[in-house]
Amino acid sequence: AQSVTQLGSHVSVSEGALVLLRCNYSSSVPPYLFWYVQYPNQGLQLLLKYTSAATLVKGINGFEAEFKKSETSFHLTKPSAHMSDAAEYFCAVSGANSKLTFGKGITLSVRP
Amino acid sequence: DTAVSQTPKYLVTQMGNDKSIKCEQNLGHDTMYWYKQDSKKFLKIMFSYNNKELIINETVPNRFSPKSPDKAHLNLHINSLELGDSAVYFCASTDLTDTQYFGPGTRLTVL
Repeated sequence: AQSVTQLGSHVSVSEGALVLLRCNYSSSVPPYLFWYVQYPNQGLQLLLKYTSAATLVKGINGFEAEFKKSETSFHLTKPSAHMSDAAEYFCAVSGANSKLTFGKGITLSVRP
Repeated sequence: DTAVSQTPKYLVTQMGNDKSIKCEQNLGHDTMYWYKQDSKKFLKIMFSYNNKELIINETVPNRFSPKSPDKAHLNLHINSLELGDSAVYFCASTDLTDTQYFGPGTRLTVL
């Protein structure tokens, strides 16, 4: 069975500061891992995904994530936060039948 | 050109009523899903269909019945609505790399 842990519910950073959103996973098979972003009153949009190719994955809007098997982690980073990055971020792992198991999400706030 | 669309976007109804939400995808994907997002933003899968066949049926009350007339459509019918059914319902479809594409959501409010 798959599971995802996103610690904390809210992260606040200043504009221009580093963004780090943590994700740890549990999977009985080599995982596919995803980060999705949800802006207010919208659906989920794919930021990036890991599918067993390069361990450092680059996504949209300047985000990237590194797959670390030894730590069972897939943390999301962005060097410099922008006001438009304020949103809800979800980490997910896929399993049988392409079923996605999501973490509980984390709210990112960006202070001017 | 919308990839995954849902109607309606908002649905307000009384307890005990029956309602439907429609979903269509024009991505050519074989597999579609329904998710429920509760007030704490937690996302939980409800159903999955692959080419009109049910493949995932999580522990969802049998008041919820999905129907897939063809692989581009997956509708959700809910009987005897309850207060606890209030949530945002998302439809999604997936490509061959397990990447899921989500619709804009339907916010259901049961009064």
